Amino acid sequence: GAVVSQHPSWVICKSGTSVKIECRSLDFQATTMFWYRQFPKQSLMLMATSNEGSKATYEQGVEKDKFLINHASLTLSTLTVTSAHPEDSSFYICSAGPTSGRGAVGELFFGEGSRLTVL
Amino acid sequence: GENVEQHPSTLSVQEGDSAVIKCTYSDSASNYFPWYKQELGKRPQLIIDIRSNVGEKKDQRIAVTLNKTAKHFSLHITETQPEDSAVYFCAAFSRGSQGNLIFGKGTKLSVKP
Repeated sequence: GAVVSQHPSWVICKSGTSVKIECRSLDFQATTMFWYRQFPKQSLMLMATSNEGSKATYEQGVEKDKFLINHASLTLSTLTVTSAHPEDSSFYICSAGPTSGRGAVGELFFGEGSRLTVL
Repeated sequence: GENVEQHPSTLSVQEGDSAVIKCTYSDSASNYFPWYKQELGKRPQLIIDIRSNVGEKKDQRIAVTLNKTAKHFSLHITETQPEDSAVYFCAAFSRGSQGNLIFGKGTKLSVKP
């Protein structure tokens, strides 16, 4: 199947700093990528939809100025958690698929996830 | 928008028994329903999926059934093994979100040897 790679897997930062997480599609082009947050023992909650060459679409309740998303190319989307606080500590996962965002339905592949701990 | 409900939240079975997880969805236009397995600290992995033009699909010990009229779909795992222990998520394709999947809350399956 298609491969989505996410980096870093683990990150620990001090409160007030910013953290960037990368999501790459390794063997396909993704016009759309999705960013999720997962708290312990909970489901995947969509944060935003990242669109190549245009602004991201954020879900209700997600602060766009805090969670900056950039989809600079067809294989890379980045999520930057700005001015991180302990409550931002979570497992962040991206997903993408060869057909996502192109009006077709198909499998989504997930990155490895990034566990963020804000001290 | 789409809403997906999943039951039960936890399920414990003996090795060799069958496990069934059920999901309902709200958007009658949804037409793609994957199931993901997530082990602790790892990424979700697709285990089986079904499209709305099919009522049932099997892959070895795993099967999924879809009832479009009732808007529910189920995951069936037969001859469960300890390595089946994980959290399972159902999802439905949401047309209104550029191809995004809406996930159920998950079912923690424990298979006891």
